[in-house]
Amino acid sequence: DVKVTQSSRYLVKRTGEKVFLECVQDMDHENMFWYRQDPGLGLRLIYFSYDVKMKEKGDIPEGYSVSREKKERFSLILESASTNQTSMYLCASTFGVGGYGNTIYFGEGSWLTVV
Amino acid sequence: QKEVEQNSGPLSVPEGAIASLNCTYSDRGSQSFFWYRQYSGKSPELIMSIYSNGDKEDGRFTAQLNKASQYVSLLIRDSQPSDSATYLCAVIPSSRLTFGEGTQLTVNP
Repeated sequence: DVKVTQSSRYLVKRTGEKVFLECVQDMDHENMFWYRQDPGLGLRLIYFSYDVKMKEKGDIPEGYSVSREKKERFSLILESASTNQTSMYLCASTFGVGGYGNTIYFGEGSWLTVV
Repeated sequence: QKEVEQNSGPLSVPEGAIASLNCTYSDRGSQSFFWYRQYSGKSPELIMSIYSNGDKEDGRFTAQLNKASQYVSLLIRDSQPSDSATYLCAVIPSSRLTFGEGTQLTVNP
């Protein structure tokens, strides 16, 4: 059974803290994505990676960075958390993009509250 | 123009009716299109994927793709209260996986 695991499901952090959100997939997927989801705004792409050590900015990269040192792990980093980063964060992975049959798999989400 | 746009909701239909969800996209080079269902507090789950023009049916769900007009739709026949959820359209226009804002569907018993 395929799996995308987000290790931290619920976090509460203080303003200014550095926050790490981890995502691990066991399907040898090349492509991994980080989204945030807020009411009325849908899923917004923060960063994505199509290979180890590669990263591309999405639509809302400000205030975030990512790391992909190993193929199976894609980390989202909030360098200095702010209250407007309170959100639900979703990780996704897929084998290829732009082609056929490339199912996208999601993690269960990480709910972050910044106080 | 947004890359992916969905018809504004919320959408409310009676049980047993057909629910119609629509999505338009801006990148003509897009090849892969997906419909996801998301229950409150849960991550999205894949309902349908479609890659070629025309209709694709799976049980009560039919996805329709028209690349010339750049739209993709999802029809849910015989809607059930358990279909009440937010439906997300997703498009892969190059190397990015882009979602619409979602349409909230409520099926009333």
